[in-house]
Amino acid sequence: DAKTTQPNSMESNEEEPVHLPCNHSTISGTDYIHWYRQLPSQGPEYVIHGLTSNVNNRMASLAIAEDRKSSTLILHRATLRDAAVYYCILPDLNYGGSQGNLIFGKGTKLSVKP
Amino acid sequence: NAGVMQNPRHLVRRRGQEARLRCSPMKGHSHVYWYRQLPEEGLKFMVYLQKENIIDESGMPKERFSAEFPKEGPSILRIQQVVRGDSAAYFCASSPRFGSGETQYFGPGTRLLVL
Repeated sequence: DAKTTQPNSMESNEEEPVHLPCNHSTISGTDYIHWYRQLPSQGPEYVIHGLTSNVNNRMASLAIAEDRKSSTLILHRATLRDAAVYYCILPDLNYGGSQGNLIFGKGTKLSVKP
Repeated sequence: NAGVMQNPRHLVRRRGQEARLRCSPMKGHSHVYWYRQLPEEGLKFMVYLQKENIIDESGMPKERFSAEFPKEGPSILRIQQVVRGDSAAYFCASSPRFGSGETQYFGPGTRLLVL
């Protein structure tokens, strides 16, 4: 079972910022928070990840709450190409005895309106 | 640096046949993961391999499914005697190391249709 909770869907207007929330109240001190997205008929694509501090890259920003029990993926200017399912993931360190397996939940389906 | 490659991209099999799915990881990556995505569902972990070793196959069905990652060549996911319920998209991912902070890079997937 996924260890994260995300809204099923969100809508955004093109060129506007989008804030995608994720709750992970059972996070442990060594869990990284990963975000991936999946465009229709494609494989998942890495977006960003972080541990404690906020992170920025050319795709997005990741804001991590001080207690680390929640995080927000920020797309600064949504485009039509950003329409996808966004997954917030905590790799399972103990799953089957190995590390790093990604546990995908249902994610948030982002729709972008022109 | 080429990304993760999977072939074939689409595969049609009749019930009872064998399906072989191939995955070539990114250059320099020795860790390979296979995931399955049933229609309208999220991805489910199947198996994690390093070169010549299966590290974790806890997500793999106990029968008919096997995986390998030989010293030379791509990783292979093999499904024997396929059934209609095996119809899904199978994604392979690779990483240079393993651990909570490692990024997995995914291939485009193989879409298996069992008639």
